[in-house]
Amino acid sequence: QTVVTQEPSLTVSPGGTVTLTCASSTGAVTSTYYPSWFQQKPGQAPRALIYSTNNKLSWTPARFSGSLLGGKGALTLSGVQPEDEAEYYCLLLSGGTWVFGGGTKLTVL
Amino acid sequence: EVHLVESGGGLVQPGGSLRLSCATSGFTFSNYWMHWVRQAPGKGLEWVANIKGDGSENYYVDSVRGRFTISRDNAKNSVYLQMNSLRAEDTGVYFCAGNWASGYWGQGTLVTVSS
Repeated sequence: QTVVTQEPSLTVSPGGTVTLTCASSTGAVTSTYYPSWFQQKPGQAPRALIYSTNNKLSWTPARFSGSLLGGKGALTLSGVQPEDEAEYYCLLLSGGTWVFGGGTKLTVL
Repeated sequence: EVHLVESGGGLVQPGGSLRLSCATSGFTFSNYWMHWVRQAPGKGLEWVANIKGDGSENYYVDSVRGRFTISRDNAKNSVYLQMNSLRAEDTGVYFCAGNWASGYWGQGTLVTVSS
């Protein structure tokens, strides 16, 4: 089964920019993997931020953007806010099934 | 307003069965793929299964294939997960979700497999 790899943890200063990535064990991530991104805070259900590479949901703040970068899926936060501290999960379609990455714990410090 | 409410979780012994339900409202249920996603205590998210809007297709993660069955009743706007031969590693919170573009998620129901 496909393994999806994310950075385990990242730290960013308020107002800064950070990029989280999402790699597939099967090779380069392309739009056909339909990369999606979710935010989860402790004790809460996940909340979708990005679907199909770069599409935002109605509630997704403008500072969040999705892309493909160097063969990986990517989530960029520009102008990070303290409330962005959370766990972030990417999700890829692979072989007809979906696979989550292990998550990136983003600390805003 | 959209609502997804999971139920049916609880404590079950290894080898036992449970049937989870997800009742939905506020959207045209039959138009949406529906997913089950789980999260073991203190761990990350794991996609479990999905089912097409008309019920004609479904897919499973390898670890549950042959033990779990996803189904839906479009007349009741509900999706189900029948879980058989449960193992300790199936313990976790189970979420139902709509297709990823919808952003629809429930709050989850806890399944504990333990003797």
